[in-house]
Amino acid sequence: QTVVTQEPSLTVSPGGTVTLTCASSTGAVTSGSFVNWFQQKPGQTPRSLIYKTSNKHSWTPARFSGSLLGDKAALTLSPVQPEDEADYYCLFYYSNTWVFGGGTKLTVL
Amino acid sequence: QVQLVQSGADVKQPGASMRVACKTSGYIFSNYGVTWVRQAPGQGLEWLGWINIQSGHRNYGHNFRGRVMFTADTSTDTAYMELTNLRSDDTAVYYCARDWEYNVDYWGQGTPVSVSS
Repeated sequence: QTVVTQEPSLTVSPGGTVTLTCASSTGAVTSGSFVNWFQQKPGQTPRSLIYKTSNKHSWTPARFSGSLLGDKAALTLSPVQPEDEADYYCLFYYSNTWVFGGGTKLTVL
Repeated sequence: QVQLVQSGADVKQPGASMRVACKTSGYIFSNYGVTWVRQAPGQGLEWLGWINIQSGHRNYGHNFRGRVMFTADTSTDTAYMELTNLRSDDTAVYYCARDWEYNVDYWGQGTPVSVSS
């Protein structure tokens, strides 16, 4: 089974820049992986941020961007705001199924 | 506006079956798919599968094949997820989300299900 790996936790200062990554056990993440990114705050429903690697929804703040970085997918936040403290999940498409990464807990302080 | 409203919390015994409803509005139901996701307490998100409402085609997550089934009622714009032979580790919040062309956008509010004897 496909395993999708994210950094378990990251810490960033307000106003700074942070990049979260999403790697697959199947090999390089490509545009054909159609990666989606989601934000989830404690007690809340996940919120969609990015689809198909780099496309933003109408509600996605401009400081969030998605890309491919080497053989991984990446979510970059710049400048980071205090309200960005949350869990972030990538969703990776492979062989007609989707797999979530384990999530990254982002702390802003 | 697009809305997905799920059925309420439920408590089930081990071995029983559960069904979650996802009532949609604000868009053409048959033009999109519905993805199902769950989250166990304190854990990450887990993909259960997806149904194409128009074609009825379904993809199920490896961990759930044989136990999960997705259906849709286009007369009421409602999608359903049924999970059978419940175990304690099926205790989770279950979510539906709108999905099309590799884009998961709007989510339901979640349905907590507890499996306990």
